[in-house]
Amino acid sequence: DAKTTQPTSMDCAEGRAANLPCNHSTISGNEYVYWYRQIHSQGPQYIIHGLKNNETNEMASLIITEDRKSSTLILPHATLRDTAVYYCISGGTSYGKLTFGQGTILTVHP
Amino acid sequence: EAQVTQNPRYLITVTGKKLTVTCSQNMNHEYMSWYRQDPGLGLRQIYYSMNVEVTDKGDVPEGYKVSRKEKRNFPLILESPSPNQTSLYFCASSLSRTNTEAFFGQGTRLTVV
Repeated sequence: DAKTTQPTSMDCAEGRAANLPCNHSTISGNEYVYWYRQIHSQGPQYIIHGLKNNETNEMASLIITEDRKSSTLILPHATLRDTAVYYCISGGTSYGKLTFGQGTILTVHP
Repeated sequence: EAQVTQNPRYLITVTGKKLTVTCSQNMNHEYMSWYRQDPGLGLRQIYYSMNVEVTDKGDVPEGYKVSRKEKRNFPLILESPSPNQTSLYFCASSLSRTNTEAFFGQGTRLTVV
């Protein structure tokens, strides 16, 4: 699985868009990018994933660069409840294994 | 409601006293895994199961056992717990090997004294 690099922490004002970057420069052509988040020691929660095209669901949008070496998770209108650790995971999975890095601590301020 | 249920949520035990943490999923998922989470080390996979009666070691399997007698259940067994197994444990399930939309349980915080 490709290694990912994320900023350690980020801040965002409530109601504004939160843009969380992730570098995955060693990603190969058939590997996906996945985003999960973990709120205060709860179980990680799946957010979104993508391969080449940008993706959007009810939680977030995922923008993947054309060369696929980086991506950005966008929370369009961040709320206080979005304060969490956000994990970017790239690569395939080996028998359902997810390799979590250290993630980005997103703090949403009032 | 689709969910992964772990029990207990909190457990304090003594060194050497066998314990089992249960995990059950109601989504008919093939793949189930156990992870432990420790400060500074992130989430690490302990064991995984590809289907009934098929299990294999993850990254940190020492001191743990698992079984998969039914598709929905995947218990984690600590035959002789030690203090270094004090951790936050998560069970996860996913539909298939290539589907990384995994569903996680709420976690079990285990303290071994």
